[in-house]
Amino acid sequence: SQQGEEDPQALSIQEGENATMNCSYKTSINNLQWYRQNSGRGLVHLILIRSNEREKHSGRLRVTLDTSKKSSSLLITASRAADTASYFCATDRRLLQGAQKLVFGQGTRLTINP
Amino acid sequence: DSGVTQTPKHLITATGQRVTLRCSPRSGDLSVYWYQQSLDQGLQFLIQYYNGEERAKGNILERFSAQQFPDLHSELNLSSLELGDSALYFCASSVGGTTYNEQFFGPGTRLTVL
Repeated sequence: SQQGEEDPQALSIQEGENATMNCSYKTSINNLQWYRQNSGRGLVHLILIRSNEREKHSGRLRVTLDTSKKSSSLLITASRAADTASYFCATDRRLLQGAQKLVFGQGTRLTINP
Repeated sequence: DSGVTQTPKHLITATGQRVTLRCSPRSGDLSVYWYQQSLDQGLQFLIQYYNGEERAKGNILERFSAQQFPDLHSELNLSSLELGDSALYFCASSVGGTTYNEQFFGPGTRLTVL
């Protein structure tokens, strides 16, 4: 079952422009993470934001979290061709006996055109 | 390079067969996670081991099993394979065992069941 849903499913922009991707989720969370996946390769962790944080920066990345709306956004500024990839949000979900797992959305496929 | 290794990279087999996928986590990481990624289901969490013991279980079929050995490498066994098991299988590792820990993904094993 999917917890996070990314929007849009696909995004194509020109190099140098900013890219914004959104993630919505259904149940309460402790934290939300964003990952990047280049075609057919393993995921790479980008940033983690805790439920008591509203905004976090890492280089050209800015992540916001609105727990009242159960949504997050990932902004990539001054995009580069190398940013072409799929981007996934992942939220934590409790399992039985206190265990947890990450639930990934379906991802946003970002294409940066030169 | 995440430091997580997976073998083999590609695996082609027939329905009804059994295969074993292997994962070596990053040095110092105690947790190993297994994920299945397919076009229709997206990225699904299968199972997590922490320091040799099963920590969390996700959408893992009864035909699938995993274990983590004393040297912390892990194996995922898939048996009675069906066409629908064709997917990318990722292993990830992290230092700790919670969803607050960044997960480092391996390059994946692409399984094709004919």
